[in-house]
Amino acid sequence: SAVISQKPSRDICQRGTSLTIQCQVDSQVTMMFWYRQQPGQSLTLIATANQGSEATYESGFVIDKFPISRPNLTFSTLTVSNMSPEDSSIYLCSVAGTPGTSTDTQYFGPGTRLTVL
Amino acid sequence: EDQVTQSPEALRLQEGESSSLNCSYTVSGLRGLFWYRQDPGKGPEFLFTLYSAGEEKEKERLKATLTKKESFLHITAPKPEDSATYLCAVQASSYKLIFGSGTRLLVRP
Repeated sequence: SAVISQKPSRDICQRGTSLTIQCQVDSQVTMMFWYRQQPGQSLTLIATANQGSEATYESGFVIDKFPISRPNLTFSTLTVSNMSPEDSSIYLCSVAGTPGTSTDTQYFGPGTRLTVL
Repeated sequence: EDQVTQSPEALRLQEGESSSLNCSYTVSGLRGLFWYRQDPGKGPEFLFTLYSAGEEKEKERLKATLTKKESFLHITAPKPEDSATYLCAVQASSYKLIFGSGTRLLVRP
């Protein structure tokens, strides 16, 4: 399967600031997604990152708070804007449609652990 | 509303003591059911995809099965390195994965 990296791996940020998280894949993929995992909870889909067009957001998530870019088939960014302590979570990117695999199966990056003070 | 419930929330086993984890789901039009393993501080690691009732998949000490309402992850003769959180997720009409809250497994030597 593809190798997925995320930067930064962790960060501590001040309230009111923004952080951009990068997701890089070592091969072209069909689909990229962004998830949030709040402390002690499971994963929740934030949005599907669409290559060359606006991301598709899930209910409860909006573009102004979580702008997403996907300029090509191997890279995406998620920005967490105007952060508050409630945004403290692990943010994970996932990919589907790597060479030789089904587009149904998602593979996850290592995650970015964000703490907002 | 699509929903996934996993039980138990936590499970402690002795090395070699086999057991099963449960994943019950309610979804309109199951596209697939997925099992992942997540170690602390890491992203979920893909284990299995099941598509239809009666399907089974195996990998080392793990075996996943699927019925129309639930899936089981059977762990045979577990080892301490099997300790992790096991996540179940369902995929309905879109590519979205809906995750359960996970089962934290601890295998003691």
